[in-house]
Formats: sequence, C-alpha cells, structure tokens
Amino acid sequence: ETGVTQTPRHLVMGMTNKKSLKCEQHLGHNAMYWYKQSAKKPLELMFVYSLEERVENNSVPSRFSPECPNSSHLFLHLHTLQPEDSALYLCASSQGREGYYHGYTFGSGTRLTVV
Amino acid sequence: DAKTTQPPSMDCAEGRAANLPCNHSTISGNEYVYWYRQIHSQGPQYIIHGLKNNETNEMASLIITEDRKSSTLILPHATLRDTAVYYCIVRVTYSGGGADGLTFGKGTHLIIQP
Repeated sequence: ETGVTQTPRHLVMGMTNKKSLKCEQHLGHNAMYWYKQSAKKPLELMFVYSLEERVENNSVPSRFSPECPNSSHLFLHLHTLQPEDSALYLCASSQGREGYYHGYTFGSGTRLTVV
Repeated sequence: DAKTTQPPSMDCAEGRAANLPCNHSTISGNEYVYWYRQIHSQGPQYIIHGLKNNETNEMASLIITEDRKSSTLILPHATLRDTAVYYCIVRVTYSGGGADGLTFGKGTHLIIQP
C-alpha cells in the first residue's frame, strides 16, 4: 500500500456507459495527477491539480472529466468512451513546495477496458 | 526537462549487481536525476534522486558522472522482484508552480534471471 488508493482496480464498461474512477491520498500532499498508460506506450500525463485547482490539461478529450473536491480526493469521470481508451489509469500525488521533496507517490491504477 | 536516453532492455543474474545506465547530455545546472521503477501493472515507485554527488539509500545507489551528462543506477544484489521497467527522469525539484507532472520515457526493462 503506497498511501494512494485507487478504486476500482478493474473496470469494464460499454461505450455508452458513464463511470467514475476514484483516487484518495492521506499523505498530506497538495497536488494530484491523472496519468494514462496504454499498452507498450509511456505514461501520459492527463491532468494536474494543485490545491484543488486544475493547473494542467494535456489536450485530453472531453469524454474524460476530472474533479478534485478536496486535496485528498480526485475523480475521473468517464462517458461515451472509445475502445482505444482502454488502458491503465494511474493517480499520483506530490507535495509541491520548494525544498520539500518526497517524490511522487502513485496508486496501483485502474485497469479500464472499453467494450 | 532535459531528455534522457536509456537502453530498452537489460538482463541481470539474480544475486548480482544490476547497473542501469542513463544518458542526459543536455542536463542543466538546476536539474536533478530521478529514478523510478514500475513493476508490471502497478504504479511507478520512487527509487532515488541526486544532483551531482553520488547517493545511496536502502533500495539502490546512484552514480552521477562529474560532468553530469550520464548516471548509473545500481541495484547491489538483484532479486527476481526487481524485474521491472526503470525510468530515468531529469527535472528541477521544484518548478515554482506547486505542481508539475513527471514526464516518463520508455525506460529500461530490467529482467532478473534466476
């Protein structure tokens, strides 16, 4: 257990479904991230939240909608996904403060399959 | 962030030292070298980081050349559980914005042979 918990671990959804991925951290970090990892490709940064405000959105399609209600929780809402969106979705957190480095802590990911 | 170059794969015998190289010839003075690893179907795990001095912790040692253009991660006594993809990342420690995602390359797939 890393301190960053993602649920569910596995998710199968149809292209017309709506589902949400959840991430929770109790490390006292103030920044949270969503990454996507497709088969045989490097991790791709999707969204960055700092102090509950979105600070980065790397040209992610609108069918992915993040939400950060507080500094401990991060959601990724999914709707009308495509089969090519099947991937491992990873959440991470960090403490963004000068002179204070504990690294990035990742969750174990949600394995998403779109059918 | 400076670009890094790593071999796509390496083999190492169990119990031996695994030495993973990384080239970062365009590294700038305020950029650190970080190593993470990702065991199959899990999230990446922080291993170690350094600026210019060699570093050691309970997981590994990091050797950075004097010109800082390359580095080597050393796992002193590799076990089967060390089989993973190892990522070398170069970046500043604090970007000033409070949050800045890591950029991952393809890394080195280290396979520990029994």
